[in-house]
Amino acid sequence: AQTVTQSQPEMSVQEAETVTLSCTYDTSESDYYLFWYKQPPSRQMILVIRQEAYKQQNATENRFSVNFQKAAKSFSLKISDSQLGDAAMYFCAWNSGGGADGLTFGKGTHLIIQP
Amino acid sequence: EAGVAQSPRYKIIEKRQSVAFWCNPISGHATLYWYQQILGQGPKLLIQFQNNGVVDDSQLPKDRFSAERLKGVDSTLKIQPAKLEDSAVYLCASSLAGGRGYGYTFGSGTRLTVV
Repeated sequence: AQTVTQSQPEMSVQEAETVTLSCTYDTSESDYYLFWYKQPPSRQMILVIRQEAYKQQNATENRFSVNFQKAAKSFSLKISDSQLGDAAMYFCAWNSGGGADGLTFGKGTHLIIQP
Repeated sequence: EAGVAQSPRYKIIEKRQSVAFWCNPISGHATLYWYQQILGQGPKLLIQFQNNGVVDDSQLPKDRFSAERLKGVDSTLKIQPAKLEDSAVYLCASSLAGGRGYGYTFGSGTRLTVV
């Protein structure tokens, strides 16, 4: 079974600084997708960034970027110029490149932004 | 565009009682997912529908959980009878035709407390 591991239950960063959230995963598949989702107290999951495993180029969305290391099965999220609104739970997720496409999530990292 | 609607927002029941949750996906979205998120964990997929057919229900505890998506639109998730360990947030998500290519939109969930 596929697993997603987030080893940092909580991270804290000063406003305007950079923070990196870690994620590793385990799969025997070669074609898959990886995601980072943000969950504020409203509980609604919001997509932050998406990476297709066959693409070597790391995905970037404004202040958010990933470091995708396929051989190491690592998928970290870097948040630059942290803002107060970035405070939330962050979940790393995986899904298969074929068949059913429900997401497998990690346990999450609680990100705190210090003003 | 209206989001994924879920109701109720909160529900408190006693163990062994029954409970139902309702989800209205975004109009035209063929794929619908139900996730269970226990406190301190990431969401776990319970069931995935494609229109009104089940694609994946491998993690649905079928002895007490059931779900249906009549007419391929709204969906209901039922628990009968509830146990204390069913206390969680139940998230519904939908996608136009599969999340890999079109992304997933999540609702704000129903928080269930079983006492």
